[in-house]
Amino acid sequence: NAGVTQTPKFQVLKTGQSMTLQCAQDMNHEYMSWYRQDPGMGLRLIHYSVGAGITDQGEVPNGYNVSRSTTEDFPLRLLSAAPSQTSVYFCASRTGTDYEQYFGPGTRLTVT
Amino acid sequence: GIQVEQSPPDLILQEGANSTLRCNFSDSVNNLQWFHQNPWGQLINLFYIPSGTKQNGRLSATTVATERYSLLYISSSQTTDSGVYFCAVERGTGANSKLTFGKGITLSVRP
Repeated sequence: NAGVTQTPKFQVLKTGQSMTLQCAQDMNHEYMSWYRQDPGMGLRLIHYSVGAGITDQGEVPNGYNVSRSTTEDFPLRLLSAAPSQTSVYFCASRTGTDYEQYFGPGTRLTVT
Repeated sequence: GIQVEQSPPDLILQEGANSTLRCNFSDSVNNLQWFHQNPWGQLINLFYIPSGTKQNGRLSATTVATERYSLLYISSSQTTDSGVYFCAVERGTGANSKLTFGKGITLSVRP
């Protein structure tokens, strides 16, 4: 199993540009989620999904959209990038019954 | 929401020393995990330990759920143990279940 994969590893955007961060898992996990990590802080939940077709907001959802059309994929869209969205983004997944979460390698995003 | 506090915030050790990292949480939880974030930014699962004690090589962890704390023990520390250690807890079930992270403990192991 590849586990949780994320692309790209690094990205630089200009203010106002849009982009999609990709996340995929091959463990048939029902739950998937996106977190952001800022310096000196732990990870904060952006959006999560409990299954295909079902998504909900986390702690810091503003400026981000998600969709879940398949079990495997959970892309995160930045509609109009802002410097405040400069961060490291992590995707995670787990089963519906086991609470242990598995994290991808992260995407480092810089917005200038 | 649930509060997670980790202590100490920073720790400097000489190689070979032992250490204890603490995580306090404010409510009962279904899940508690310890992660190590290495200098390259990768998050590595160390333990899934909502209660009880587990050991993995030089690392062990104990969670006392009734007293709302967890401890991570590192014995005979090595320079590769350096990085940030996060405790994360999850409360609730199903769609209401979300992982909340502490701010982390930065560990530096000197050769």
